[in-house]
Amino acid sequence: GDSVTQMEGPVTLSEEAFLTINCTYTATGYPSLFWYVQYPGEGLQLLLKATKADDKGSNKGFEATYRKETTSFHLEKGSVQVSDSAVYFCALLTGANNLFFGTGTRLTVIP
Amino acid sequence: KAGVTQTPRYLIKTRGQQVTLSCSPISGHRSVSWYQQTPGQGLQFLFEYFSETQRNKGNFPGRFSGRQFSNSRSEMNVSTLELGDSALYLCASSLSEHEQYFGPGTRLTVT
Repeated sequence: GDSVTQMEGPVTLSEEAFLTINCTYTATGYPSLFWYVQYPGEGLQLLLKATKADDKGSNKGFEATYRKETTSFHLEKGSVQVSDSAVYFCALLTGANNLFFGTGTRLTVIP
Repeated sequence: KAGVTQTPRYLIKTRGQQVTLSCSPISGHRSVSWYQQTPGQGLQFLFEYFSETQRNKGNFPGRFSGRQFSNSRSEMNVSTLELGDSALYLCASSLSEHEQYFGPGTRLTVT
């Protein structure tokens, strides 16, 4: 079945450090891939997406590339800020309109 | 454009009671999906409604049900509440099958 495996964390970084959160997936067919972010006490916000192989999603300095050959969609940011502290979820969407989520990675950025 | 709204934001119920949660999608969105978020199980898909019909269903017992109205607003109902139903219930609306936009959630506590 469809599933997402995500780096568990928690991850603690100093401000301006480089961020990578690993995400790999298993899916039948050709899924769309997403990163969502959840701030404390809030719902999920769509951070970026990619709908086909080799697509690169980007938003607010975050990037992720859809790699079909390695079934991966790793999230990266060159220089994190304190305001990036949140929980990040990798997710996939196949034919049915329901998202499969990873377990989430808590990121804490310290000044 | 207003985002997805969910009411109530917080709810405390007793075991054995039933509860109804409400979700108003983004204007023009006809698909509404519901997810349960718990620390142990993470984010799990409950069901999706499109044009007043349940289109997809996750692996939850029959105590969890939902419906959608002609204005696309959706409700979910949980009967005979159990302690394990304590969770954040998230609603998401979508226009297409590529992006889902989430509301802030309803935090249900069962005592």
